[in-house]
Amino acid sequence: SQKIEQNSEALNIQEGKTATLTCNYTNYSPAYLQWYRQDPGRGPVFSLLIRENEKEKRKERLKVTFDTTLKQSLFHITASQPADSATYLCALVMDSNYQLIWGAGTKLIIKP
Amino acid sequence: DAEITQSPRHKITETGRQVTLACHQTWNHNNMFWYRQDLGHGLRLIHYSYGVHDTNKGEVSDGYSVSRSNTEDLPLTLESAASSQTSVYFCASSEVGANTGELFFGEGSRLTVL
Repeated sequence: SQKIEQNSEALNIQEGKTATLTCNYTNYSPAYLQWYRQDPGRGPVFSLLIRENEKEKRKERLKVTFDTTLKQSLFHITASQPADSATYLCALVMDSNYQLIWGAGTKLIIKP
Repeated sequence: DAEITQSPRHKITETGRQVTLACHQTWNHNNMFWYRQDLGHGLRLIHYSYGVHDTNKGEVSDGYSVSRSNTEDLPLTLESAASSQTSVYFCASSEVGANTGELFFGEGSRLTVL
C-alpha cells in the first residue's frame, strides 16, 4: 500500500541545537516534495521545496534533503529557537497530476 | 496584500443540516482546493477546481459538493451534515503552472456536527 509517514510523537529539542524532522514514504514516485509549517489554529505555510533530482536545498537556517533511493526527506533547522516550535508537514507532489499527498505532521517543541 | 479568507471560522451544527463554508481568495489563482484535517491524518483532499466552472472530486468527496462560478470563490457545501464530518476544513489556492506548486492556505474553519 502507499503511505507517507512522519513521526507522530512530538520532537523536543533544546534551543540552539539542530532539529531534524523525517518524512518517509513507500510506493510513491514523487516529482518533488514540499515542507510546510503549521502553527496552532492556523493554516499551513509553505517552507521549502525539493525536486527529485536535487539532493539538498537550503534557505537561511533550514535545510532539506531528499533521498529517492531511501524514499526519505529530512528537514533540518539549525540553531533552533523557541519560535520554530510548530507542526511541520511534508507533502509529496506527483508528476502525473500535481496533487499533493500529505503526511500527518510532526510537532516540534524547542525548549529555552 | 493578497490573501485567502474562510468563513465562518467556527461553526456548530446539527446532524442533517446543510452547511456551507465560504472561501475567498484575492491571489487571482485558478487552482483552488478544499481539505479536511483530522488528528492523526494528513490533510485529505475533498474537492478541487482548476478554473471557473471546473470542479473535481478528491479522495474524501462523499457528502460534500462545490461550485466555482468565479475565480475568487469556492464554497464547500455539506448537503446533510454527519458527525463524521466534524473536522477542521482548509481552503487553499495555487498558481497554474507555478514552478513550486506552493499552496496558499486560509486559516481554517472548525466545524462541529452534533
